This record gives sequence, structure tokens and C-alpha cells, in this order.
Amino acid sequence: NAGVMQNPRHLVRRRGQEARLRCSPMKGHSHVYWYRQLPEEGLKFMVYLQKENIIDESGMPKERFSAEFPKEGPSILRIQQVVRGDSAAYFCASSLGRTYNSPLHFGNGTRLTVT
Amino acid sequence: GQQVMQIPQYQHVQEGEDFTTYCNSSTTLSNIQWYKQRPGGHPVFLIQLVKSGEVKKQKRLTFQFGEAKKNSSLHITATQTTDVGTYFCADPYGGSQGNLIFGKGTKLSVKP
Repeated sequence: NAGVMQNPRHLVRRRGQEARLRCSPMKGHSHVYWYRQLPEEGLKFMVYLQKENIIDESGMPKERFSAEFPKEGPSILRIQQVVRGDSAAYFCASSLGRTYNSPLHFGNGTRLTVT
Repeated sequence: GQQVMQIPQYQHVQEGEDFTTYCNSSTTLSNIQWYKQRPGGHPVFLIQLVKSGEVKKQKRLTFQFGEAKKNSSLHITATQTTDVGTYFCADPYGGSQGNLIFGKGTKLSVKP
């Protein structure tokens, strides 16, 4: 059973470009979460999706950031017009059910560098 | 949502010494989860504690949930270099929709 797959592992973008981060959850998991981690810092919740629905996006900046989890295909975290402050590791995680019953399984992350 | 506080932020130990990290909440937790992240890696689930006063062991790791369910601890006996990493506690009810909210973590370094 393949784990959570994220790609790309590393992404370099120039200021003003768009970044698209992909995440395929574990087989059978319909809950997807995105977290951001700055160097030497903790995991900051961004958004929680469940097949075609955004359940909670309270941790996501209102501008430039969007996320989706279509019926078919991976979840996408999209960052428009990237700035240097967007440089971070972005982790996707999936779970079988709500987190109080099901632990999160994380992908290897996408390290975004904005130059 | 509430946030769980972890201390210490950093811990440096000599190989063979014990290590403990603490997780505290101002409100009662329904349950708590622990994760480990190796340097350069991704968080990996270790355990979930549910019951008041619960104690669970995984080899040299001992996890405790306080009687009042407001604190938790992770104790590692006789640390090894493979224990290096950051240990996070997480509250499954920390977010407004029940999404997992992590403490800031305790970074453990082990000197051989």
C-alpha cells in the first residue's frame, strides 16, 4: 500500500511565478490536510479537505493561496505570485477518517524555494 | 482553537541519558497524539493516548496522559543516536473542524 505521495520533492520558483504542489493520499483515505513548516519551526495547519470539499481553510492566507481535492486526481495546493516568504516545506497528510479516530500519514513534503 | 504547549524547545543529551518532553494544554484534551520527525524527514505517527492517566510503552519510549487530561509526556530511556529528531504532540480537536493542531515540538539531539 503506497503511502502519501507528494511531488515535486523540490520546487524552485522566481518571485511572481506560480507554484503547484500535488498530493495523492493513501489508498482509501478521503481526508487530506496541508501543513507548512518553516526551517526550525513547527507544523502550521493550512487547510483540510475532504473529496471535493474544503472543510477548514482557516490556516491558509486569504490571498494567493488556494487548495482543491477533486473527485478524480490528486489534491493541489496552488500558490500564485510567490514571494520569498513562501519558501518553506509543505507537507500533505491524509487520514482514513477524522483525526480524533485516525492518525495522519504524511508525505515526504515539497521544499519550495523562491528566488 | 486551543494550542498545546511543549517544553523544552531543545534538548541536548549524551547518548545513554534519558530524555523527557512535556505537552501542556489550558483546556481538557479528549485525546492526544505524538509524532516524530527526523531531520530532513516528514512527521511519523507514534501513538495516540485517550484515557485519563493512560501509560503506553513502545520499547524505550513511554507515553503518559495526565489524570486531568491536560498534559502528556514522552520519556525516552537510554537515548540512542537514532532517537534524534523533533517530537511533536498534537491535539486532534485543536482546529475548528477537528483538524490536528501541533505543538511547536521538542528538538532532541544526541551526542555519541
